[in-house]
Amino acid sequence: QSALTQPASVSGSPGQSITISCTGTSSDVGAYNYVSWYQQHPGKAPKLMIYDVSERPSGVSNRFSGSKSGNTASLTISGLQAEDEADYYCSSYTSSSTYVFGTGTKVTVL
Amino acid sequence: EVQLVESGGGLVQPGGSLRLSCAASGFTVSSNYMTWVRQAPGKGLEWVSFIYAGGSTYYADSVKGRFTISRDNSKNTLYLQMNSLRAEDTAVYYCARKANTAMTLDYWGQGTLVTVSS
Repeated sequence: QSALTQPASVSGSPGQSITISCTGTSSDVGAYNYVSWYQQHPGKAPKLMIYDVSERPSGVSNRFSGSKSGNTASLTISGLQAEDEADYYCSSYTSSSTYVFGTGTKVTVL
Repeated sequence: EVQLVESGGGLVQPGGSLRLSCAASGFTVSSNYMTWVRQAPGKGLEWVSFIYAGGSTYYADSVKGRFTISRDNSKNTLYLQMNSLRAEDTAVYYCARKANTAMTLDYWGQGTLVTVSS
């Protein structure tokens, strides 16, 4: 199972919006509405930010939103803040009854 | 409050073995789908293995035949037995719980570092 493809880095100024893409195949992202997004600060465990493509867990800011079109999912962070600087990983359930993660995207707040 | 605490990591020689533990609190391990995910230094996340509530287990091809996931219901603890370790198994290993009502991992432990080196 190949990793989902994400851009290596995305940057934006405080207050701006950025979008991170996550491209898979018809066997994972395209097959199910089971895409999740995780935020990871250096030296910390991943934190769930979005699940089931666009659902936000309790406590996660509504500045984070998710969507999907075909084999590509996206995470949008609006009103970018310094604390959003972190690595972000997408994940999808697959037709093999396993999970696959994305390659990861480093978000930099300029 | 849900908590997951991993232990058992350390330095091991190539070909050696190690058993990781993940002690859970705030929920019952045996009633949940549990998983191990690893992250090599400076690299991304990689799913390793999971165990269904019913006991079925699945493994990534990279560890199949070498790693075994299990749980001890009396201790509410998840395990990962790692044999025939290779340098490429060097990583931080996280245990995580699948959410009850969604196909996602909602709680993660802090991770334990495994270093395979001579």
